[in-house]
Amino acid sequence: DVKVTQSSRYLVKRTGEKVFLECVQDMDHENMFWYRQDPGLGLRLIYFSYDVKMKEKGDIPEGYSVSREKKERFSLILESASTNQTSMYLCASSSRDRPRIYEQYFGPGTRLTVT
Amino acid sequence: DQQVKQNSPSLSVQEGRISILNCDYTNSMFDYFLWYKKYPAEGPTFLISISSIKDKNEDGRFTVFLNKSAKHLSLHIVPSQPGDSAVYFCAAITPGGYNKLIFGAGTRLAVHP
Repeated sequence: DVKVTQSSRYLVKRTGEKVFLECVQDMDHENMFWYRQDPGLGLRLIYFSYDVKMKEKGDIPEGYSVSREKKERFSLILESASTNQTSMYLCASSSRDRPRIYEQYFGPGTRLTVT
Repeated sequence: DQQVKQNSPSLSVQEGRISILNCDYTNSMFDYFLWYKKYPAEGPTFLISISSIKDKNEDGRFTVFLNKSAKHLSLHIVPSQPGDSAVYFCAAITPGGYNKLIFGAGTRLAVHP
């Protein structure tokens, strides 16, 4: 069974703290993604990675960085958390193999609150 | 500027009736579309997809229709069940490789007995 796990379900951090969100997938997928979900805005892509040590900016990368040292693990880093980064963060992965090349599999999400 | 739009934030339907969720897009280069379903406190799960070479794809109670000339797609759920109550996201694959998805804002479906 396909599985994407995220390190925390809920997280509360203070403004200015460095925050690490971890994501692990057990499907040997090449592609991994980080999104944030906000009401009325849907899911917006922050960063993605198509291979180990490779990363590409998504639509809203400002204030974030990522790390992919191993194929199964993709980390999202908030260098200095701000209140406008309070959101639900979702990690996803996908394969490069057909026929399911376009389907992304999501983790349960991390609800981050920055105070 | 949202390239994928779901203009109805919510929809309420009686159990057993048809639910129709709509999605519009602006980029004629989009050629593959997906619907995801999301329950509270869970990640989205893939529901159904359609390629632009088709105008309909059916999977059990779920059917997606694509009207390329109108840049419009819709998801039909027949018959609707209380367990279908969730947020539904429409998404399109962006051209240019990497298989990135661009999502709409979502529609919250409530199916009541």
